[in-house]
Amino acid sequence: GAGVSQSPSNKVTEKGKDVELRCDPISGHTALYWYRQRLGQGLEFLIYFQGNSAPDKSGLPSDRFSAERTGESVSTLTIQRTQQEDSAVYLCASSFNYGEQFFGPGTRLTVL
Amino acid sequence: AQSVSQHNHHVILSEAASLELGCNYSYGGTVNLFWYVQYPGQHLQLLLKYFSGDPLVKGIKGFEAEFIKSKFSFNLRKPSVQWSDTAEYFCAVNAPQNYGQNFVFGPGTRLSVLP
Repeated sequence: GAGVSQSPSNKVTEKGKDVELRCDPISGHTALYWYRQRLGQGLEFLIYFQGNSAPDKSGLPSDRFSAERTGESVSTLTIQRTQQEDSAVYLCASSFNYGEQFFGPGTRLTVL
Repeated sequence: AQSVSQHNHHVILSEAASLELGCNYSYGGTVNLFWYVQYPGQHLQLLLKYFSGDPLVKGIKGFEAEFIKSKFSFNLRKPSVQWSDTAEYFCAVNAPQNYGQNFVFGPGTRLSVLP
């Protein structure tokens, strides 16, 4: 596709449920990033992939958060046993090697 | 650890006024610097970037930024703003030699331009 896509665009879930967020990067982009943006705040780095390996997982807030990437393609961010403080917009970006990041539209997660 | 600060949370200007948004970062090594913009209802997009060379970089839509290494700053400027510049602006830093591809974003500055 022409840009980074994310699905779903909106997700409302109950506290304690697991959610899976998907990111489709721009074809050929080797690096993929996940960020969290809470209401009125900046972007919080979560994790990045170079290919399908994740050299830096230091930004993941807790062990309830995990992410996978298949080759240099789709990535999924999984949040287990969601909590209300997980409510945020989750943004994905991709880049070719270490260049400019192209952002997706985000997934707005609401945990009731 | 890296950190990025942006001086203003919300800036309100009239059309044709000049703009300067401050950005300071904490890391003293080699850095790559970025300004991103998020227009209402749209994706984050790159305004401009600095990797090396001329410290005065020009981006899209008439924006420019100056890297001042001694001040750890990368301020964004535009001589005359338009109503369409109303958006949220984020400064970002990456220090690849020490922090790999961990990008740190500032908290953002909301710009409102009054017609």
